Amino acid sequence: SAVISQKPSRDICQRGTSLTIQCQVDSQVTMMFWYRQQPGQSLTLIATANQGSEATYESGFVIDKFPISRPNLTFSTLTVSNMSPEDSSIYLCSVGTRRDGYTFGSGTRLTVV
Amino acid sequence: GQQLNQSPQSMFIQEGEDVSMNCTSSSIFNTWLWYKQDPGEGPVLLIALYKAGELTSNGRLTAQFGITRKDSFLNISASIPSDVGIYFCAGQLNYGGSQGNLIFGKGTKLSVKP
Repeated sequence: SAVISQKPSRDICQRGTSLTIQCQVDSQVTMMFWYRQQPGQSLTLIATANQGSEATYESGFVIDKFPISRPNLTFSTLTVSNMSPEDSSIYLCSVGTRRDGYTFGSGTRLTVV
Repeated sequence: GQQLNQSPQSMFIQEGEDVSMNCTSSSIFNTWLWYKQDPGEGPVLLIALYKAGELTSNGRLTAQFGITRKDSFLNISASIPSDVGIYFCAGQLNYGGSQGNLIFGKGTKLSVKP
């Protein structure tokens, strides 16, 4: 299965600022996903990062707040914009297909103060 | 929207005990996945199930895809200390050649009995 490198692994940010999280995969993948995991909670899909077109966002998530880039088949970024304490979560990148299974990065633990 | 009910929410294990957890849904899925998440890490895929009634093992772990397609269970036999962590089920419905999104349960936290 694919190996995912996610950076940064953690950060503490001031409210009102933005943080960009990077996801690098060791092989070309069609499907890349970004999830949020709030403290003590399960995983919620933010969006599917599409190569060459705009990301597909899930209900409750908007591009202005979580802009996503997918410049090629091995890399994607998620930006958390204009952060507030409610954005404190773990953000996870995932790749895969139904046939191959879905692999997750180790996550970015974000604390907004 | 689709929701998964995962139980139990938490449980304590003693080394050597068997452990069982399950997920149920009001909707059908055609893929069930079981993940384990350790602190500070992302979820790691344990078992993937693709057919109703399928029973699959991975070492001491066994999972089944319910015949109604609305439930799945995960069993861990002869638990060891490194089994501690949070276990998530996830369901996926694929339709018309498109991959549906993964829907995650709320997790089962496994801890060691004091």
